[in-house]
Amino acid sequence: RKEVEQDPGPFNVPEGATVAFNCTYSNSASQSFFWYRQDCRKEPKLLMSVYSSGNEDGRFTAQLNRASQYISLLIRDSKLSDSATYLCVVNWGNTGKLIFGQGTTLQVKP
Amino acid sequence: ETGVTQSPTHLIKTRGQQVTLRCSSQSGHNTVSWYQQALGQGPQFIFQYYREEENGRGNFPPRFSGLQFPNYSSELNVNALELDDSALYLCASTFGGEIAGNTIYFGEGSWLTVV
Repeated sequence: RKEVEQDPGPFNVPEGATVAFNCTYSNSASQSFFWYRQDCRKEPKLLMSVYSSGNEDGRFTAQLNRASQYISLLIRDSKLSDSATYLCVVNWGNTGKLIFGQGTTLQVKP
Repeated sequence: ETGVTQSPTHLIKTRGQQVTLRCSSQSGHNTVSWYQQALGQGPQFIFQYYREEENGRGNFPPRFSGLQFPNYSSELNVNALELDDSALYLCASTFGGEIAGNTIYFGEGSWLTVV
């Protein structure tokens, strides 16, 4: 079983759509969780941290369910500029060893 | 933008050769991690250095080695290159031996092609 699993997609959605990505992780000792965005042939960039209470940043909402070891990202009112790969990331024990999922590709079409 | 620079940006090597990739971290960042990202995959943790000592290693063979220098720069060395080593190599730096992901800064990466 992979340490962090994501549906690779691709997700093809029209502008304005709402899209949700899911991710599961295997290590119950994981302490911090993130979503990163990666544009084609670029480095990953932090999109947002994920907290058990859920957190929102504009059109983006992230949620963590520790009991189910499940992380989600919701994007509302999709923009063309949201087209990218979204990486689910887990930090084991705050050691700096980030475990990345395979990434989910989103393509937003006009 | 992130203050983390990597070189070279692109290079081509022949199978069996050796390669050195370099990373210059933000001033004061005493922790550096290296990741390998193959096409279509997420980055895979290679190892981390904290205050010039290896501080954690992923599932990579010993031919992957590293160094960290007092001036916050670091190197990733790969010996006996194999075709599967073709990937984007990312350097990430931060301050402190124990860190949270939201304080990690990635460089733009080095694209290595092994032929």
